[in-house]
Amino acid sequence: ETGVTQSPTHLIKTRGQQVTLRCSSQSGHNTVSWYQQALGQGPQFIFQYYREEENGRGNFPPRFSGLQFPNYSSELNVNALELDDSALYLCASSWEVGRQPKKYEQYFGPGTRLTVT
Amino acid sequence: RKEVEQDPGPFNVPEGATVAFNCTYSNSASQSFFWYRQDCRKEPKLLMSVYSSGNEDGRFTAQLNRASQYISLLIRDSKLSDSATYLCVVNKGGKLIFGQGTELSVKP
Repeated sequence: ETGVTQSPTHLIKTRGQQVTLRCSSQSGHNTVSWYQQALGQGPQFIFQYYREEENGRGNFPPRFSGLQFPNYSSELNVNALELDDSALYLCASSWEVGRQPKKYEQYFGPGTRLTVT
Repeated sequence: RKEVEQDPGPFNVPEGATVAFNCTYSNSASQSFFWYRQDCRKEPKLLMSVYSSGNEDGRFTAQLNRASQYISLLIRDSKLSDSATYLCVVNKGGKLIFGQGTELSVKP
C-alpha cells in the first residue's frame, strides 16, 4: 500500500450541495495532487498543493477549491455540485523540492467515490 | 487531439501470451513517463517509470521513442492476475496527464 489515505470512501450528495474530501499524504511527501476520474476515462488533473499553496491547476472551474495543511494533508472542496461531478476523486502524494519534483512519481490513495443525484 | 492517446481496448489474450500496448503523446517537452495499472474500482498503481529510452522489470518492458513521441509497454508470459486497465501517463510540469487506458483481460 502507498500510505496515502482518503476519506470518506463513498459519498452521495444532491445537486447544488457542497462537499469536502480529505487526503493524508504518504510519510515524507510534501505535495498533494487531486484528480477526477469519470467512468471509463483516465484521471484528470484538478490541482496540486505544495507548501500550502496551489502549485498548478487543470481545467476545472473555481467552484473546485482546495487547501493544504502544515502536516501536508489536503482537502478538496466542491461547491454547487452538478450531476457531472459524479466521479472517483483521487489524491496523489509526491516529493517536491522548490516547486520542482525531486522524483516525478506520484502515489495514489484509494479515492472517494462521489455520486451526485 | 488528446495530449496522451492509447490503443483502444479491450485486449483479450490467453495465459502465456505476449501483449503490447502503445501510447503517443503530444508535448515534446515532457521528460518523464509512466505506466500505471488500475484494477476495477481501485486506484491507479505505479507499474513502471520511464526516464530514458526504456525500462525493464521482470516480465514488463517499457520503451520510449522521443523522436516519435511514442511509449510502449510489453507484457510477456501473461498471467491471469495481469488483467487490469493499463494507463499511459506523461509528466507535464509536475502534473500527470493520463491516457484513457487500455483494458487487458487474460483468459485461462
